[in-house]
Amino acid sequence: GAVVSQHPSRVICKSGTSVKIECRSLDFQATTMFWYRQFPKQSLMLMATSNEGSKATYEQGVEKDKFLINHASLTLSTLTVTSAHPEDSSFYICSAQPGDQPQHFGDGTRLSIL
Amino acid sequence: DAKTTQPTSMDCAEGRAANLPCNHSTISGNEYVYWYRQIHSQGPQYIIHGLKNNETNEMASLIITEDRKSSTLILPHATLRDTAVYYCIVRVAPFQGAQKLVFGQGTRLTINP
Repeated sequence: GAVVSQHPSRVICKSGTSVKIECRSLDFQATTMFWYRQFPKQSLMLMATSNEGSKATYEQGVEKDKFLINHASLTLSTLTVTSAHPEDSSFYICSAQPGDQPQHFGDGTRLSIL
Repeated sequence: DAKTTQPTSMDCAEGRAANLPCNHSTISGNEYVYWYRQIHSQGPQYIIHGLKNNETNEMASLIITEDRKSSTLILPHATLRDTAVYYCIVRVAPFQGAQKLVFGQGTRLTINP
């Protein structure tokens, strides 16, 4: 079946560091991918919609200069958390839709900023 | 998007059927009911979706009321591995293009031995 892969699964880094998270569609092409963030004991919150070959669409309240999204190919979207701070620590999850099937999600990236 | 309402938590004994309700009274005619679940520290997993007819797959059954204002996800023989947060989401069909999913708080289902 369709698989969405995220890398890394976990990252721990110092405050001020920029962190890149990759989301890949392994056996299908995705012109659109979605990035979510989930804080402990809370639900998933959509951050942005990643569009292949064009600018991402950000949800209200999400800083586009803080969370850089690049969707340069039909199988890869990246989320870069720039100058990360402890409050950016969270579980980041991407999703993509293979054709006319329901969306599939990656296994998430747990980001911890010290 | 139509809003959904689910109980915050439920418990079920292992081996029994788990019935998870969802209210979606403002669902539109072209919106489907989707169910996902999230096991701790993993991404959400698709379970099933339907428009108006009952649906069944290898994971679960979905019963949608005739007026489509509510639905029930049924896990016929719950196991400990079914412990997760279950999300009911209403959205247009996948063939209408990739569209964002709006997650509510879901139901935390605990399967007890």
